[in-house]
Amino acid sequence: AQSVTQLGSHVSVSEGALVLLRCNYSSSVPPYLFWYVQYPNQGLQLLLKYTSAATLVKGINGFEAEFKKSETSFHLTKPSAHMSDAAEYFCAVSVSFNTDKLIFGTGTRLQVFP
Amino acid sequence: NAGVTQTPKFRVLKTGQSMTLLCAQDMNHEYMYWYRQDPGMGLRLIHYSVGEGTTAKGEVPDGYNVSRLKKQNFLLGLESAAPSQTSVYFCASSYSRGGVHHEQFFGPGTRLTVL
Repeated sequence: AQSVTQLGSHVSVSEGALVLLRCNYSSSVPPYLFWYVQYPNQGLQLLLKYTSAATLVKGINGFEAEFKKSETSFHLTKPSAHMSDAAEYFCAVSVSFNTDKLIFGTGTRLQVFP
Repeated sequence: NAGVTQTPKFRVLKTGQSMTLLCAQDMNHEYMYWYRQDPGMGLRLIHYSVGEGTTAKGEVPDGYNVSRLKKQNFLLGLESAAPSQTSVYFCASSYSRGGVHHEQFFGPGTRLTVL
């Protein structure tokens, strides 16, 4: 069965510092992986997705993630944090071609300090 | 396009009351989903639908019912609300293109409190 683990429920960085949010997956089939962002009191918005075309995926707002099969990881990074990046981030794995159902991680709240 | 919309945005119920949450999408998506979001637990799938007239159970379906009478609408019902159903509810939709996974598009959420 597919699952997702996000290490660290809270991450704090200074503005301009590297952002690293960790996601490890478990899947019996080649996974499709997603990162979503949720700003306060809003719904989820897609940041980027991995669909096996390329291992390094670039998303919106300067974020990118690298799929590493050997490590079963899909960590999200951004070279320089901005105050506007403060939000909750969710990693998800797609479990079925026929339904697009997603299994979400428990989320990581990113705080950015000036 | 409005995307995915949800009504109402907020609701307070007393234990035992019933209510229906409405989700509408104008993107002609085949698939629709209802999730609940609770602190520290991420999003959990309640029910989903792969097309008009079809529904299926997700991870946490107990205490909820759904209907998909029209392609653009997906209704979530609580027949007898319980305090454990206090949560933020999100609706999402995605489109079908065989053999390829697609992202889901989310509504803004409904914050439900059951007293």
